[in-house]
Amino acid sequence: DTGVSQDPRHKITKRGQNVTFRCDPISEHNRLYWYRQTLGQGPEFLTYFQNEAQLEKSRLLSDRFSAERPKGSFSTLEIQRTEQGDSAMYLCASSRGESETDTQYFGPGTRLTVL
Amino acid sequence: AQSVSQHNHHVILSEAASLELGCNYSYGGTVNLFWYVQYPGQHLQLLLKYFSGDPLVKGIKGFEAEFIKSKFSFNLRKPSVQWSDTAEYFCAVNARAAGNKLTFGGGTRVLVKP
Repeated sequence: DTGVSQDPRHKITKRGQNVTFRCDPISEHNRLYWYRQTLGQGPEFLTYFQNEAQLEKSRLLSDRFSAERPKGSFSTLEIQRTEQGDSAMYLCASSRGESETDTQYFGPGTRLTVL
Repeated sequence: AQSVSQHNHHVILSEAASLELGCNYSYGGTVNLFWYVQYPGQHLQLLLKYFSGDPLVKGIKGFEAEFIKSKFSFNLRKPSVQWSDTAEYFCAVNARAAGNKLTFGGGTRVLVKP
């Protein structure tokens, strides 16, 4: 399978702990996106990268959230001092990055539960 | 900022019935429009997209959507649904002046009864 992969698929943590998620995009896709989806809602944009450069961050991305894509390949999303409101599905997507009409291909997501 | 609204949260249909899901967006500039589908237990996948040209767009699995600029709408249709169309459907938009980020509607859960 050469699609977008995410790890872990599920994460349960206690409030106040730090968590880190990983996303591996489709090979040779230059753009990588993070979205968050809560129950009954559509995905909400968090941030995106063009290669290793983080080009935009949503105001949803508080100071406790940080994302990196150090070598322009995989990306990590870290949440520090987790809160119950952080419980959600965290989705990663990638696209070729050649045009704004490029299709974004989504991974299976990481479901975070904060107790 | 752009926003997307989907009129129905839940739709229940019988097989062979026709399906139409409403989607309206709010943005004054030029947009690209998308419909994504999420089948049970699977990840989001693209059904179809519109960025220019013929406002009637055909996608996979017999779906089509029509862009009506004057109504800021991009409704999804399928003439005859199958049980396998049971899924959640999301309309999304990206504004050409605002980069690649997608703004999604809240989704519509469609249940097709056999």
